[in-house]
Amino acid sequence: DAGVTQSPTHLIKTRGQQVTLRCSPISGHKSVSWYQQVLGQGPQFIFQYYEKEERGRGNFPDRFSARQFPNYSSELNVNALLLGDSALYLCASSRPPGDQETQYFGPGTRLLVL
Amino acid sequence: QQQVKQSPQSLIVQKGGIPIINCAYENTAFDYFPWYQQFPGKGPALLIAIRPDVSEKKEGRFTISFNKSAKQFSLHIMDSQPGDSATYFCAARGADRGSTLGRLYFGRGTQLTVWP
Repeated sequence: DAGVTQSPTHLIKTRGQQVTLRCSPISGHKSVSWYQQVLGQGPQFIFQYYEKEERGRGNFPDRFSARQFPNYSSELNVNALLLGDSALYLCASSRPPGDQETQYFGPGTRLLVL
Repeated sequence: QQQVKQSPQSLIVQKGGIPIINCAYENTAFDYFPWYQQFPGKGPALLIAIRPDVSEKKEGRFTISFNKSAKQFSLHIMDSQPGDSATYFCAARGADRGSTLGRLYFGRGTQLTVWP
């Protein structure tokens, strides 16, 4: 079975630009969460979506936004990029939030902001 | 504020040793405690997980010990191998209804090196 897939794998942007990251969850999973992992740190929660609705948001500025599509895939958008946005962006999928199963992570998209 | 505190930051053991990684939490509204293993350039992979009503769980060479009253849990790796060299993260899953439901709070990670 295919795991969580993310695209692109790597991305280089300059300050002020906008970026869109994509995620496809494991088949049968309806919830997608996004995390930011800065080098040397644990992942930090950004968003959680379930059935196309935002179910939770972490402590990130409004420059970060996301959405979930009818097929449960998801996009994360970051506007007005800052140097500090350079990180590994991880997508995780699970069955409905609070379900017995935990979250399974994709390989991530490594974003470098110059 | 770090919801889950993890130690040590790094750990070096000889092959066959038993590295132990410790985590502590404050929030009692956590209902699930997974451990993830991450290799350089990869996403975290679920290793083993435990629920707060269980004091110990073993899967192969990996064991989680859980102390609910102390709000602490730890990962033990038996007969460690060089291939176990990776970064390990403990996490706790939010159980409050609302925005924290299902959200994972991660420790800062422990970089484990197993020498051959």
